[in-house]
Amino acid sequence: QKEVEQDPGPLSVPEGAIVSLNCTYSNSAFQYFMWYRQYSRKGPELLMYTYSSGNKEDGRFTAQVDKSSKYISLFIRDSQPSDSATYLCAMSERDTGFQKLVFGTGTRLLVSP
Amino acid sequence: DTEVTQTPKHLVMGMTNKKSLKCEQHMGHRAMYWYKQKAKKPPELMFVYSYEKLSINESVPSRFSPECPNSSLLNLHLHALQPEDSALYLCASSQEPGGGSRTQYFGPGTRLTVL
Repeated sequence: QKEVEQDPGPLSVPEGAIVSLNCTYSNSAFQYFMWYRQYSRKGPELLMYTYSSGNKEDGRFTAQVDKSSKYISLFIRDSQPSDSATYLCAMSERDTGFQKLVFGTGTRLLVSP
Repeated sequence: DTEVTQTPKHLVMGMTNKKSLKCEQHMGHRAMYWYKQKAKKPPELMFVYSYEKLSINESVPSRFSPECPNSSLLNLHLHALQPEDSALYLCASSQEPGGGSRTQYFGPGTRLTVL
């Protein structure tokens, strides 16, 4: 079993749809949870960062962390064609001077006009 | 500004060449990372420098040699690479403990092709 599981997709939705992306994990020591967006042949871009459990909202994006279920989600409201990219979840244990990220495999999202 | 820069953007090299990848950040971050990413795969950690000291080497072959000349710069020296080393090489940096956000910011990557 992988430490972080993420559906690779592709996930195809029409413009304006609400998108739900998810990851599950097995390591209860994870405390920091990130979502990155990666366009083809570019570096990952940090979208959302959450420490421990709870929700965080930034514009059209909402990140949720449920540590009791070991489950994290990213919601995208009013999705746009420009949101078409691969979304990577990443998480890490307690920071000790540097951070060792464990990534999901990434979900490819396609938003059609 | 949360920018990590990498040069060159693209690199093509033969198996006998020696080349270097460069990474720079001016965010005052004290941890810097090298990752390798193959198509349709997540980034794979290669090296971590913390306070300019090598903290993690994920059993990377010796044909990859990292160097951290100062807190803002990170190099990856390449020698005698194999075609299977062709990939996107990503640099990242993160803030020191106690500084608030503990997450990594990535550069745009260097796309390396080994012939």
